[in-house]
Amino acid sequence: DTEVTQTPKHLVMGMTNKKSLKCEQHMGHRAMYWYKQKAKKPPELMFVYSYEKLSINESVPSRFSPECPNSSLLNLHLHALQPEDSALYLCASSQDRPGGGNTGELFFGEGSRLTVL
Amino acid sequence: TQLLEQSPQFLSIQEGENLTVYCNSSSVFSSLQWYRQEPGEGPVLLVTVVTGGEVKKLKRLTFQFGDARKDSSLHITAAQPGDTGLYLCAGDTGRRALTFGSGTRLQVQP
Repeated sequence: DTEVTQTPKHLVMGMTNKKSLKCEQHMGHRAMYWYKQKAKKPPELMFVYSYEKLSINESVPSRFSPECPNSSLLNLHLHALQPEDSALYLCASSQDRPGGGNTGELFFGEGSRLTVL
Repeated sequence: TQLLEQSPQFLSIQEGENLTVYCNSSSVFSSLQWYRQEPGEGPVLLVTVVTGGEVKKLKRLTFQFGDARKDSSLHITAAQPGDTGLYLCAGDTGRRALTFGSGTRLQVQP
């Protein structure tokens, strides 16, 4: 079983809805990530939080809004999404921040499959 | 532009065959990882290689890190249907988050 838990596993929303994806880890990791993955493609980095501060935003549209309430939780707030935003959204954590002298091994959740109608 | 190129992109083989997946870059990595992702799940770490020329074995899987730390390979011996999945290499440049390769989709037919 993965030690990174994501909810919900599936989400269907309209373009005017507001929803949130949630991620939780209890491994004491200090870096948490959101990735977006389209079918048959590798994961694409969206955001990185390091020690609860946003450290990387890969030019993600503002309709995606990340939040890190504490070191164990990571949220992704969704508003006014487009059908092309439909994808598998993966949360991951690592022991330390990128470039922090560690090998940066990622632990992924099972993902939240999002469909935007 | 993909920083890490994997080849082949797709591979369909029969059970018992051997295969090699390649991960190539012009960049130097402080470490490189291989992940396997099964349908409907997140990627799972298989191995991390750190030293140039390093070879690691995990049962029927053999991983090699190039001497210059720019490339890596994954060799599977006697593939089984359970090996089916998306294989991803990921490199750490020490500056940003991991960079994932383009992926190799492996299908092992019984």
